[in-house]
Amino acid sequence: AQSVTQPDIHITVSEGASLELRCNYSYGATPYLFWYVQSPGQGLQLLLKYFSGDTLVQGIKGFEAEFKRSQSSFNLRKPSVHWSDAAEYFCAVAPGGAGKSTFGDGTTLTVKP
Amino acid sequence: DTAVSQTPKYLVTQMGNDKSIKCEQNLGHDTMYWYKQDSKKFLKIMFSYNNKELIINETVPNRFSPKSPDKAHLNLHINSLELGDSAVYFCASSQGVENSPLHFGNGTRLTVT
Repeated sequence: AQSVTQPDIHITVSEGASLELRCNYSYGATPYLFWYVQSPGQGLQLLLKYFSGDTLVQGIKGFEAEFKRSQSSFNLRKPSVHWSDAAEYFCAVAPGGAGKSTFGDGTTLTVKP
Repeated sequence: DTAVSQTPKYLVTQMGNDKSIKCEQNLGHDTMYWYKQDSKKFLKIMFSYNNKELIINETVPNRFSPKSPDKAHLNLHINSLELGDSAVYFCASSQGVENSPLHFGNGTRLTVT
């Protein structure tokens, strides 16, 4: 069965600093990979996804993620964080499509002024 | 025009009661889901329907019964509510093809007292 690990439960960065959120997955083949963001009191919103092709994918809100097969990782990055980026971030893996997504435990991002 | 809408947003009830949560999507998707998010923000899939047919039924107490009258609606009925049912319940939809991401509603916060 597939699994997802987000090693960082909580990350604090200063506004304007760069950000990297880690995600490691376990699956036999190349899975479908997603990053979602959840703002307080809201549902999850898709930031970006990877299925095949270019291993660096661009998403909304200035986020990007890089798929590294050798490391079974799909880390999320942003060059300059804004206060509005404070939220919960979830990595998800779906070997058979979005419906069978397994979510990581999430990383809470706090942005310091 | 909300894509995935759930009602109610908050639900406070006593143990032993029966309650329902409704979900509607106007995205034209053919697959809908119920997810449960606990107090630690862990997300777990409960059910999935594709064109009104149940396709995912995780290990969930049979006090939980989903109903899909048509592919735009997926309701969740919960009998004999228990304290441990307190959580945020998210409805989601997808097009059902493998690379289609999930679109989430804003959640229903259920509190059982």
